[in-house]
Amino acid sequence: GAVVSQHPSRVICKSGTSVKIECRSLDFQATTMFWYRQFPKQSLMLMATSNEGSKATYEQGVEKDKFLINHASLTLSTLTVTSAHPEDSSFYICSALLGVGELFFGEGSRLTVL
Amino acid sequence: QQQVKQSPQSLIVQKGGISIINCAYENTAFDYFPWYQQFPGKGPALLIAIRPDVSEKKEGRFTISFNKSAKQFSLHIMDSQPGDSATYFCAAKAGTYKYIFGTGTRLKVLA
Repeated sequence: GAVVSQHPSRVICKSGTSVKIECRSLDFQATTMFWYRQFPKQSLMLMATSNEGSKATYEQGVEKDKFLINHASLTLSTLTVTSAHPEDSSFYICSALLGVGELFFGEGSRLTVL
Repeated sequence: QQQVKQSPQSLIVQKGGISIINCAYENTAFDYFPWYQQFPGKGPALLIAIRPDVSEKKEGRFTISFNKSAKQFSLHIMDSQPGDSATYFCAAKAGTYKYIFGTGTRLKVLA
């Protein structure tokens, strides 16, 4: 299957700082990528859809100014959690769309805000 | 109508047994039905997928059964192994990229 790499896998930061998470499609070009948040023992919560070269589309209830998404190339999308607070601590996962619709996920990033 | 209902929430199976996870949907526009396997602390991995023009697809020990008239599909894991212990998500796609995920099933295979 196609490979999606996410970095960093774990990050710990102080409250008030910003954290950037990268999502790369390693062996294919992805016009569309997605960002999810997953709480313990729960399903995937879609945060936003990221399209290369255009503004991301955010799901209802997701703060655009808190979670900045940039999809500057066909292989890279980034999620920046701005002014992070402890309630932003979570498992963030990206995915990339291959061709006509197969979806491949990154390994996830565990964010802990102290 | 956009929901995908997944059951059971959790499942315990003896080693060598068959694990069965079910999903049901309402939206007839769904055209692709994948299953994902997720281990703790990792992202979901695509396991197997089926399109609605096929009633069954088998890959190794994993089989998807699809019932279009009932709007249901299920994952069967034959000869379940402790290494299969993970959370499984069904999903359904409508259109180019609109994915709807089930709530997940936590499978534990006892050694």
